[in-house]
Amino acid sequence: ETGVTQSPTHLIKTRGQQVTLRCSSQSGHNTVSWYQQALGQGPQFIFQYYREEENGRGNFPPRFSGLQFPNYSSELNVNALELDDSALYLCASSPSEGRQETQYFGPGTRLLVL
Amino acid sequence: AQSVTQLGSHVSVSEGALVLLRCNYSSSVPPYLFWYVQYPNQGLQLLLKYTSAATLVKGINGFEAEFKKSETSFHLTKPSAHMSDAAEYFCAVSDLNQAGTALIFGKGTTLSVSS
Repeated sequence: ETGVTQSPTHLIKTRGQQVTLRCSSQSGHNTVSWYQQALGQGPQFIFQYYREEENGRGNFPPRFSGLQFPNYSSELNVNALELDDSALYLCASSPSEGRQETQYFGPGTRLLVL
Repeated sequence: AQSVTQLGSHVSVSEGALVLLRCNYSSSVPPYLFWYVQYPNQGLQLLLKYTSAATLVKGINGFEAEFKKSETSFHLTKPSAHMSDAAEYFCAVSDLNQAGTALIFGKGTTLSVSS
C-alpha cells in the first residue's frame, strides 16, 4: 500500500511568485488536508477537501487555494508569495472526513521564499 | 476556543529511563486527542489516539497515554526510552470549529535520548 506522497520535496521561490504543491493521497482515502508548519512550530490547518469539495478552512488568506481531483489527489496553490510563507507544507489523507479518523501525513514540501 | 499546550519544549532522558511528555487541552466537550511523532526531515506519524473509548490508550513503539478529564490532560509515556525515540512529538486535538478532520496542534516537544 502506497502512503501519502508529495512533490516537490524542496522549492525556492521569490516574493510575489506563485507556487503549486502536489499531494497523492493514500489508496482508498477520500479526504485530504493541508497544513503549514513554520520552523519550530506545530502544524497549522490550512484547509481540507472531501470528495473534491472544500469542507473546512483555517485562518489563512484567500491567496491560499486548493483543488482535489477525482482520484482524490490534491494541489495547494499559493499566490503572491510572502517571506512568511517559508515553511514545511504537509499533506494528510484520511479514509473519510470523520473527526476520529487518523490522518496519514506525507513527508512534506519545504518552501523557501526569498 | 480549543487549544493544546505542551509543557516543556525540550525533554532529555537517558536510555532506559521513563519518558513523560506533557499535554493539556482545552475543549468544551470531550475531545478526540492524538499524539504524533516527527523524525527529522519527515512527515508526522500517528503514535496513538483517544476517541472516547478506554482512557488508557496504547500506541506504537511502546508508547501509551492516559486521558484524564478532571486534569484536561493527555500525557504521553514510555517506560524505557530508546535512542530511536529521539524526535519531535506533537499533541493534537480535533478542531470542533471545523468540519472534518482538522487538528489543532501543540508547539511540540523535542525528546533527546542520551546513552
